[in-house]
Amino acid sequence: DGGITQSPKYLFRKEGQNVTLSCEQNLNHDAMYWYRQDPGQGLRLIYYSQIVNDFQKGDIAEGYSVSREKKESFPLTVTSAQKNPTAFYLCASSSDRAFGNQPQHFGDGTRLSIL
Amino acid sequence: QKEVEQDPGPLSVPEGAIVSLNCTYSNSAFQYFMWYRQYSRKGPELLMYTYSSGNKEDGRFTAQVDKSSKYISLFIRDSQPSDSATYLCAMSKAAGNKLTFGGGTRVLVKP
Repeated sequence: DGGITQSPKYLFRKEGQNVTLSCEQNLNHDAMYWYRQDPGQGLRLIYYSQIVNDFQKGDIAEGYSVSREKKESFPLTVTSAQKNPTAFYLCASSSDRAFGNQPQHFGDGTRLSIL
Repeated sequence: QKEVEQDPGPLSVPEGAIVSLNCTYSNSAFQYFMWYRQYSRKGPELLMYTYSSGNKEDGRFTAQVDKSSKYISLFIRDSQPSDSATYLCAMSKAAGNKLTFGGGTRVLVKP
């Protein structure tokens, strides 16, 4: 079945550690996105990529990094510079490079906690 | 003030009732409007996708957009316990702009 796979489902980070969240899609979508979800705040955009080897910062990019070496993969690294990383992280993709023309579809998320 | 406002709930209704959800927004540039359903510990699932003002119906779901009032609604008819979830509205401006989400409304449908 086509879809978006995020792994791991749960992740724990120690102080000073970088961790990487995986996002893979087999929908042949050009655009991919990372969001952070905190209780009562909806989803906030961290980074997005409209094409391979290119990505842009969203609203809350500080303390995060991404890469887009393959069309189907868009990993997110939460660095030690992100002081409040505990959240639910969601990856999404859409078939159109322009936001809004085509709806975004989401994976089932990774819950990151601090040890 | 947030760009998109959504009552967090919870909204509790008996099975079979109509669920009425809404979002208000402040930016008149929003053109595309979406409703997502999110179950606990899962990603959001797209329910409805509309462009500009008007109504759209899909099965038990009806989405309404009133751009003059900057107000969008989602109605769920004949609600079922399986409709218990958090419902998120989202919107975007003309092509090339990011999605802005409401904070979500938690809905409980009691058998």
